[in-house]
Amino acid sequence: AQTVTQSQPEMSVQEAETVTLSCTYDTSESDYYLFWYKQPPSRQMILVIRQEAYKQQNATENRFSVNFQKAAKSFSLKISDSQLGDAAMYFCAYKGGSGNTGKLIFGQGTTLQVKP
Amino acid sequence: GAGVSQSPSNKVTEKGKDVELRCDPISGHTALYWYRQSLGQGLEFLIYFQGNSAPDKSGLPSDRFSAERTGGSVSTLTIQRTQQEDSAVYLCASSYRGGYNEQFFGPGTRLTVL
Repeated sequence: AQTVTQSQPEMSVQEAETVTLSCTYDTSESDYYLFWYKQPPSRQMILVIRQEAYKQQNATENRFSVNFQKAAKSFSLKISDSQLGDAAMYFCAYKGGSGNTGKLIFGQGTTLQVKP
Repeated sequence: GAGVSQSPSNKVTEKGKDVELRCDPISGHTALYWYRQSLGQGLEFLIYFQGNSAPDKSGLPSDRFSAERTGGSVSTLTIQRTQQEDSAVYLCASSYRGGYNEQFFGPGTRLTVL
């Protein structure tokens, strides 16, 4: 079975600084997707960034980028120029390969605090 | 367009009562997912619908939990004889055909069992 682990329950960053959230996963599949979701206090899960396992190039979305290390099964999220609105819980998630239903397997989450 | 909506937003019930949670997916999305978010178990998958059928029910924790979807649209998650450990936020998500397509989440229903 696939598992996703986020070892940092809480992180804090100063506004305008950079922070990296860690995620590791375990799978025997070669084809899969990885995601980072943001959950603010409103509870609405918002997709931040996605990475296809077959792509070697790390995904980037504006201030958000990932460091995908397939061999190490590591998928960290870097937030640059942190803003107060980035404060939220962040979840790393895995979606399996061909024939899968699309269900997501989530890590435990990391609460990010942004200090002004 | 409208996103995924869920009702009620909050539900408080007494142990042993039955509850129904509703999810309205984005129009045209054939795939629908239910997840549960609790302090002890984190975020876990419950059930997946493709159209009106549920090919993956593997996450339902017990036979007290059931779900249905009608008209390929609205879904209802029913919990019978609620227990305190059922207290959690229940999230619904929909996507266009499932698979690798992005899932859009609703705001969730916070269930509190007293």
